[in-house]
Amino acid sequence: QVQLQESGPGLVKPSGTLSLTCEVSGGSISSANWWSWVRQPPGKGLEWIGEINYSGSTNYNPSLKSRVTISVDKSKNQFSLKVTSVTAADTAVYYCARGGLLALSDYWGQGTLVTVSS
Amino acid sequence: EIVLTQSPGTVSLSPGERATLSCRASQSISSTYLAWYQQKPGQAPRLLIYGASSRATGIPDRFSVSGSGTDFTLTISRLEPEDFAVYYCQQYGSSPPTFGQGTKVEIK
Repeated sequence: QVQLQESGPGLVKPSGTLSLTCEVSGGSISSANWWSWVRQPPGKGLEWIGEINYSGSTNYNPSLKSRVTISVDKSKNQFSLKVTSVTAADTAVYYCARGGLLALSDYWGQGTLVTVSS
Repeated sequence: EIVLTQSPGTVSLSPGERATLSCRASQSISSTYLAWYQQKPGQAPRLLIYGASSRATGIPDRFSVSGSGTDFTLTISRLEPEDFAVYYCQQYGSSPPTFGQGTKVEIK
């Protein structure tokens, strides 16, 4: 059973950089094609941020592309998200998931709340 | 990007009743790349149904989907207490993958 676990700071200052890591267990990150980040502002819907595959190829949501970087560390079986120049609008629960574009998102992490505030 | 519009926003029903949730796409999508998720407060989305009609592991057969092109429907034949939640449709065949805004199924 694949499991995903997000980790990272819960509070980020405005104009700073949000950094999160998703650790994959119960399977190899190299066994599936794509791994995604999805976010959900409090009380709102879901927004796909972007994805990465085991070889490091990425696809990003155009709405966030200029501020987002997703990377993978196969040796640690994890992938990471960085969002630069954050504002209060980036406050959300951030989820990592297996899947993405053309690949069903079938396993999700429990999510981690990141608040942007001074 | 493809916009998914779900209706109604909220539906109030009693246990045992039938729930019919709609998901309308701004352009035609393949049912192969349509999924439905259930989300309860404080929890991650849970995959319910994907493709034309495939239920995820452990999902009971009271959940079913229908539709094609731009109009899709999730039906819960007889609501159980654990079914009261928010439901999202998602298309993942066109970049970027997008979600509907959700339908809340609440207890009447």
